[in-house]
Amino acid sequence: DAGVIQSPRHEVTEMGQEVTLRCKPISGHNSLFWYRQTMMRGLELLIYFNNNVPIDDSGMPEDRFSAKMPNASFSTLKIQPSEPRDSAVYFCASSLTRGNHEQYFGPGTRLTVT
Amino acid sequence: AQSVTQPDIHITVSEGASLELRCNYSYGATPYLFWYVQSPGQGLQLLLKYFSGDTLVQGIKGFEAEFKRSQSSFNLRKPSVHWSDAAEYFCAVGVPDGTASKLTFGTGTRLQVTL
Repeated sequence: DAGVIQSPRHEVTEMGQEVTLRCKPISGHNSLFWYRQTMMRGLELLIYFNNNVPIDDSGMPEDRFSAKMPNASFSTLKIQPSEPRDSAVYFCASSLTRGNHEQYFGPGTRLTVT
Repeated sequence: AQSVTQPDIHITVSEGASLELRCNYSYGATPYLFWYVQSPGQGLQLLLKYFSGDTLVQGIKGFEAEFKRSQSSFNLRKPSVHWSDAAEYFCAVGVPDGTASKLTFGTGTRLQVTL
């Protein structure tokens, strides 16, 4: 199994630009999570989906952030417009709803907004 | 709401020495408990988990953790540390909400191993 796949691995963009982060969960997993990791705030859950439906987006910082999961094998996290304070590592994780609830993390996308 | 405290931000141990990383949680019932490890530039890898049953759980890479309900703790241990164990370790508490288990992470403990 290839594990959770995220792209791009690194993204550098200028303030005001749109940024799209991509995630492919492990095949068969039906829950998907987006996290943000910063030195100041640690690891924060932004949003999670179950069976492609957003269940809890209370961690999304503001309206500039949006996430979609059009099918079971793909999700995007979009920031529009981006700001320097959005610089962080963004992780995607997936799990099975039934069973042991283990979350498997992708390698992350390091976002730098200048 | 649940919370996790990892009181040690940074720990240094000598290779071959024993290790204990502390984790305390706050939750009204017995939560799901996890330890993850993150190497520099990498994602998080699950070391071990506790859901129920035996309070001493074994994980990968020779790690173990013990759930102590009376102390609301889930400390991670390893009898002999290897240089490759240098990484950041996160404790997490999971609360199943019917559709998935949301995880709340501690702030992490960075482990340095001296030779």
